[in-house]
Amino acid sequence: GAGVSQTPSNKVTEKGKYVELRCDPISGHTALYWYRQSLGQGPEFLIYFQGTGAADDSGLPNDRFFAVRPEGSVSTLKIQRTERGDSAVYLCASSLDGSGSPLHFGNGTRLTVT
Amino acid sequence: EDKVVQSPLSLVVHEGDTVTLNCSYEVTNFRSLLWYKQEKKAPTFLFMLTSSGIEKKSGRLSSILDKKELFSILNITATQTGDSAVYLCAVKTSYDKVIFGPGTSLSVIP
Repeated sequence: GAGVSQTPSNKVTEKGKYVELRCDPISGHTALYWYRQSLGQGPEFLIYFQGTGAADDSGLPNDRFFAVRPEGSVSTLKIQRTERGDSAVYLCASSLDGSGSPLHFGNGTRLTVT
Repeated sequence: EDKVVQSPLSLVVHEGDTVTLNCSYEVTNFRSLLWYKQEKKAPTFLFMLTSSGIEKKSGRLSSILDKKELFSILNITATQTGDSAVYLCAVKTSYDKVIFGPGTSLSVIP
């Protein structure tokens, strides 16, 4: 595709529910990143994939958060038992090869947990 | 712990002013430093810097990296209202992890 696509653009869910956020990277990009951004703050690193494998998941805040990228393209961020503190914009970015290339971001999914 | 710090956190200037945004970092295994502009949603890429002392320039924007002192600056000359945005600094490690600073919110008033 022309750019990184994230769906849905907005998601409202009730506390305790399960949500899935999808990221479709730029075609051919092997590296994929997930970030969480709260109002007035910079993006907070969650997880980074190189191909199908999670190269670094040190930013996932707890075991309610999980991400997959089974075929090395589309990725899904999964949040179980959502809490109000999970409300934020979840940004996805991809880069050509992860080493010498910049990140290209999607427009994010705004998650609101009521 | 890897850390990226930006200053100031917010700035208000008049059109035509020149601004300098600062970014300092403490990371293990530094690979590169990146600058992004974020207006409403997606951050958009401005510069990637890997070598000290080499200025990158694009129109009225320029940036330079000092790997000895562990900082970078982003300069914007002759600011316009369209420059109003949050400017994010990020550092990529040799393990390809990319860490962002808190951003500098720039407001340019007519």
